[in-house]
Amino acid sequence: DAGVIQSPRHEVTEMGQEVTLRCKPISGHNSLFWYRQTMMRGLELLIYFNNNVPIDDSGMPEDRFSAKMPNASFSTLKIQPSEPRDSAVYFCASSWAGGTYNEQFFGPGTRLTVL
Amino acid sequence: AQSVTQLDSHVSVSEGTPVLLRCNYSSSYSPSLFWYVQHPNKGLQLLLKYTSAATLVKGINGFEAEFKKSETSFHLTKPSAHMSDAAEYFCVVSEINSGTYKYIFGTGTRLKVLA
Repeated sequence: DAGVIQSPRHEVTEMGQEVTLRCKPISGHNSLFWYRQTMMRGLELLIYFNNNVPIDDSGMPEDRFSAKMPNASFSTLKIQPSEPRDSAVYFCASSWAGGTYNEQFFGPGTRLTVL
Repeated sequence: AQSVTQLDSHVSVSEGTPVLLRCNYSSSYSPSLFWYVQHPNKGLQLLLKYTSAATLVKGINGFEAEFKKSETSFHLTKPSAHMSDAAEYFCVVSEINSGTYKYIFGTGTRLKVLA
């Protein structure tokens, strides 16, 4: 298995532009997580899907952020409009929630820079 | 309610000496506990996991952790540090509540290994 795949790996954009981050979870996993990591705030959970349904989006900072999971093998995190304070590394993770071993597997991250 | 406390934000050890990274947790139910490692500019990688089987858990790269319910601790140890162990380490507690998994990440401990 290729693991969790994220694209792009790096994104540089200007303030006000729309940014879309993509994630392909591990095949067979039924839960997907989006995290944001910064030096100041550490690792923050943004949103959590189970069976393609958003379960907990309390970490989504504001209406500029939206996430979708149209099917079990794909998710997007969109920021519109982007702001410099959105600069961070965004991680996607997936897991099988239902068994004893429910560890999360992380993708390599997308480093977002908003100028 | 769940919580995780990593008692040290930074730990420095000399190469070849033991490593101890401390983690205390609180959980209302029977938790699963994990340690993840993050090397610079990389995603998080699972080191080891505790899921109510043996209390002493062995992970990758010579790391171990012992679950002590009476002390609500899950400290990470390694007998002899290697330069390649320099990274950030996260303790994570997970429990299922009302059919939903909750994952709480500690704030991380940055391990520095001195030559």
